[in-house]
Amino acid sequence: QKEVEQNSGPLSVPEGAIASLNCTYSDRGSQSFFWYRQYSGKSPELIMFIYSNGDKEDGRFTAQLNKASQYVSLLIRDSQPSDSATYLCAATKRNALNFGKGTSLLVTP
Amino acid sequence: DGGITQSPKYLFRKEGQNVTLSCEQNLNHDAMYWYRQDPGQGLRLIYYSQIVNDFQKGDIAEGYSVSREKKESFPLTVTSAQKNPTAFYLCASSRQQGALRYGYTFGSGTRLTVV
Repeated sequence: QKEVEQNSGPLSVPEGAIASLNCTYSDRGSQSFFWYRQYSGKSPELIMFIYSNGDKEDGRFTAQLNKASQYVSLLIRDSQPSDSATYLCAATKRNALNFGKGTSLLVTP
Repeated sequence: DGGITQSPKYLFRKEGQNVTLSCEQNLNHDAMYWYRQDPGQGLRLIYYSQIVNDFQKGDIAEGYSVSREKKESFPLTVTSAQKNPTAFYLCASSRQQGALRYGYTFGSGTRLTVV
């Protein structure tokens, strides 16, 4: 079982809609969770991190964590074509981060 | 401006050759990491270091070597023992204080191709 799992997509949403990206993890010892955005050919950039159950909002982005269900999600409100990228979910594992394979998001005008 | 610098951006390796990828940071971060990214594979951890003169193997360390002689620098050598080195290599760093609560800062990456 992959330790951090994401649907590879592509997830296609129209401009202005809410994009919902999901991630599950298997290691109950994971303490902190991260969402990175990666444009094609570029390095990942951090969007959000969360370590407490519940929701955390930052601008158009909301991260949600449910440790009982081992589930992390990222909501992007008012999606823009510039949000089209691959979104990587990561969880702490010992002293490093374990990454999922990423979900490709396409926002269509 | 603080950040992580990886060089070169593109690197070509001949069969049987060792090559070294450079990673330098001026963020005063204690921990540094090397990942490899292949299409459809996500990021896989090669090596990491939490302190100078100490490093640990990640999930795919075979065929790679590292050193951490200075806090700012964490070079990765891809040896001839690595049979499939063509990939995008990413270096990252993080604050040791608070462990990984704040995630990583990534460099811009090195794309290595075997010719």
